Amino acid sequence: GQSLEQPSEVTAVEGAIVQINCTYQTSGFYGLSWYQQHDGGAPTFLSYNGLDGLEETGRFSSFLSRSDSYGYLLLQELQMKDSASYFCAVRDLERSNDYKLSFGAGTTVTVRA
Amino acid sequence: DVKVTQSSRYLVKRTGEKVFLECVQDMDHENMFWYRQDPGLGLRLIYFSYDVKMKEKGDIPEGYSVSREKKERFSLILESASTNQTSMYLCASSGSIVNTIYFGEGSWLTVV
Repeated sequence: GQSLEQPSEVTAVEGAIVQINCTYQTSGFYGLSWYQQHDGGAPTFLSYNGLDGLEETGRFSSFLSRSDSYGYLLLQELQMKDSASYFCAVRDLERSNDYKLSFGAGTTVTVRA
Repeated sequence: DVKVTQSSRYLVKRTGEKVFLECVQDMDHENMFWYRQDPGLGLRLIYFSYDVKMKEKGDIPEGYSVSREKKERFSLILESASTNQTSMYLCASSGSIVNTIYFGEGSWLTVV
């Protein structure tokens, strides 16, 4: 099985930097992903880390340390539109040709003016 | 753009009714998923399918079944709806790169 832990909510002001941590426990591990979901909308893919290190996509970056079973999503230069829920997810390969993508409970980010 | 379409956005059903939630994707994806989303619990996997007629249980399959007769369509079935199945249901699909999955807009089901 697998479990993921992430903070339930974070509040910050416009222009600030927010880091959302995610720790995981899985029986097998094939990468950590991040998804964004605005209120009433569907989750959308943000980033993926298969190997240790930092992946940067514009204002968002994601980091993975497999030895620590830990990753984070970094939101820089926060904008009001970044107010949303953010989910970490792990791919947990149980057999050679199937898998599950399991999600954390989500972190609600509120950006204030 | 990948499109995952869930046929019903809002449904209200009575306890004991059989409920069908339909999902269609247009990208020829092998893998399809049904998740349930509840406040404070995030997204929980109900069932997934990696090929036509193939299905695997997720984390919370009890009370649900699925059907995948065609590659593009994945149906979630509640054989006898109960009030604790009131939730938002999200269908998703992915190609071979499973870490990137594409979600539909969700179906809000209320069981009364």
